[in-house]
Amino acid sequence: QVQLVQSGAEVKKPGSSVKVSCTASGGTFITYSFSWVRQAPGQGLEWMGGIIPIFGTTSNGQIFRGRVTITADKPSNTVYLELNNLRSEDTAVYYCVRDNGEGADYWGQGTLVTVSS
Amino acid sequence: SYDLTQPPSVSVAPGQTATITCSGDKLRNKYACWYQQKPGQSPVLILYQDKKRPSGISERFSGSGSGNTATLTISETQAMDEADYYCQAWDSNAPWVFGGGTKLTVL
Repeated sequence: QVQLVQSGAEVKKPGSSVKVSCTASGGTFITYSFSWVRQAPGQGLEWMGGIIPIFGTTSNGQIFRGRVTITADKPSNTVYLELNNLRSEDTAVYYCVRDNGEGADYWGQGTLVTVSS
Repeated sequence: SYDLTQPPSVSVAPGQTATITCSGDKLRNKYACWYQQKPGQSPVLILYQDKKRPSGISERFSGSGSGNTATLTISETQAMDEADYYCQAWDSNAPWVFGGGTKLTVL
C-alpha cells in the first residue's frame, strides 16, 4: 500500500523559510510525479507546484514563483517543499500528493505550517 | 478566487440524489477529477477522467462532463457522504486548477 508520510508541524516567523518533507513508500517512486497542494484554514485547495523525480523537472504555480523550491531525493524516496519569505497568509496545511497521470491518487497526512510573530 | 466554479453548498435528504457542478473555461477539452474531503482528513480521489472510479470508491459516486462543465452525482446519499467536494481540471502538463469546493450537507 502506498503511503506518503510528511514531516511534522512547524511554527515560523514572518520572513523566514520552511522546508517540508514527504517520504513515499509502497510504490515505485521515480516513475510518478509529485505535487504540493496547500489549504489555508477554512479555505479550498491550492496547487503550489510539482516535480518528476526521474527527470528532476519542476513546475510551480505562478503566484509562488520565486518563493517555492521543490526537490526530490531519489535514494530516500523523498520530495521536499521549501517556501521562503513566509507571510501570515502562508499559514496552511501543506499536502504532498502523488500524481498517477490520471489524478492525485495518494495524499500525505498534511503538515500544518503556522506563520506568526 | 478560483478558476473553476462550484456551488458553495448543497443539501440533500438521506437516500436522495445529490448533484454538484463544476464549471469554467479551464475544463474545456480537459477531464475533471473529483475529491472528497472530510473534516480533519486529507482529500481522497473519488472520480477521474470525468467518470471513472478508483478502486474502493462506491458505485454511488458517478460523474459526467460536457463542454466546460463537469458534474458529480451521489446517489442514495448517506450521512457518511457529508463532506467537502472539490473538482479539478486535470492536465498533467499544465498547472493544476481546483474549484472552490462544495460543502455537502445530508439533512
